[in-house]
Amino acid sequence: RKEVEQDPGPFNVPEGATVAFNCTYSNSASQSFFWYRQDCRKEPKLLMSVYSSGNEDGRFTAQLNRASQYISLLIRDSKLSDSATYLCVVNVGSYIPTFGRGTSLIVHP
Amino acid sequence: DGGITQSPKYLFRKEGQNVTLSCEQNLNHDAMYWYRQDPGQGLRLIYYSQIVNDFQKGDIAEGYSVSREKKESFPLTVTSAQKNPTAFYLCASSPSDREVGYTFGSGTRLTVV
Repeated sequence: RKEVEQDPGPFNVPEGATVAFNCTYSNSASQSFFWYRQDCRKEPKLLMSVYSSGNEDGRFTAQLNRASQYISLLIRDSKLSDSATYLCVVNVGSYIPTFGRGTSLIVHP
Repeated sequence: DGGITQSPKYLFRKEGQNVTLSCEQNLNHDAMYWYRQDPGQGLRLIYYSQIVNDFQKGDIAEGYSVSREKKESFPLTVTSAQKNPTAFYLCASSPSDREVGYTFGSGTRLTVV
């Protein structure tokens, strides 16, 4: 089983839709979690950290479920500019992050 | 503004040639990393360094070498032993506080000609 797994998609949604991605991790000792956004041929950029209590930043909500070992990202009112690949990142108490392979989102008019 | 600078943006390598990719950060981050990304694939860890003058191999270190003589700099050399070096190379850094996340450079696209 891979350490961090994501559905590669693509998720194809219309503008204004709500879309959610999950990311499962295998190591129960994982300590910190992040969502990154990567545009085509660009570097990943931090979208948001994921806290145990859940956190929200505008249209984006991230949640952590330690019991089931997954994190989620919810995007409300999708915009065309949200089209990108979303990577989840998990830290297992060391400096070494483990990246998922990413979920592709395509928002169409 | 603080950040990570990778150079060059594009690099062409001839067969049998060694090339060095530059990565410089002014974020005062302790840890630095090199990743390789192939089309449609995730990030694979090549090398990482948690402190000056120390570094460890990642998952795909064969054919690569690094140095960490200064906190700010973590250059990656792609040697002739790397048989399939064409890829997008990303450098990242992070502080000691692992809650903060990782900052990436804009990457170097290496192509074998």
